[in-house]
Amino acid sequence: GNSVTQMEGPVTLSEEAFLTINCTYTATGYPSLFWYVQYPGEGLQLLLKATKADDKGSNKGFEATYRKETTSFHLEKGSVQVSDSAVYFCALSRSGSARQLTFGSGTQLTVLP
Amino acid sequence: DAGVIQSPRHEVTEMGQEVTLRCKPISGHNSLFWYRQTMMRGLELLIYFNNNVPIDDSGMPEDRFSAKMPNASFSTLKIQPSEPRDSAVYFCASTPGGDVTEAFFGQGTRLTVV
Repeated sequence: GNSVTQMEGPVTLSEEAFLTINCTYTATGYPSLFWYVQYPGEGLQLLLKATKADDKGSNKGFEATYRKETTSFHLEKGSVQVSDSAVYFCALSRSGSARQLTFGSGTQLTVLP
Repeated sequence: DAGVIQSPRHEVTEMGQEVTLRCKPISGHNSLFWYRQTMMRGLELLIYFNNNVPIDDSGMPEDRFSAKMPNASFSTLKIQPSEPRDSAVYFCASTPGGDVTEAFFGQGTRLTVV
């Protein structure tokens, strides 16, 4: 079956530090890959996505590249801000459809001023 | 657009009581999802509706859980009777339908069963 494995949290960084949150997946075929973010007290929001191998998704300074050879979709940001503190979820959809989203367990990020 | 609206935001109830969670999807969206989020199990899809019809309820944990979507603008998730292990955050999400990749989530209902 499909599964997503995320880096264990929590992660605590100082402002302007470099961020990497690892994500690897198991799936048949060619899934679409996503990062969702959940700010405190809020629902999940789509942060970025990539639908085929070697695609790079980017948004708000965050990036992730779809690596089929390593089945990975690591999230990176060059300089984090306090406002980036949130829970980050990696997800895949085997069909590309939102109805078949499989989420990772989430990684809590705290950025200190 | 106000986004997906869930109510209540917080619910505390006693074991054995009936609990009803409510969701209003984004206008024009025809797919609706109910998820449950716990520390132990993460985010789980409970049920998915398309055009008000339940398509996949394989994630509903047991018969105590039921969900309805009487029209395009309203859905309920009911737990009867509730148990302490049902304590979780329940999210509703909607999409415009079809093979759309972005799901829009509500703020969730935090349920505590004591």
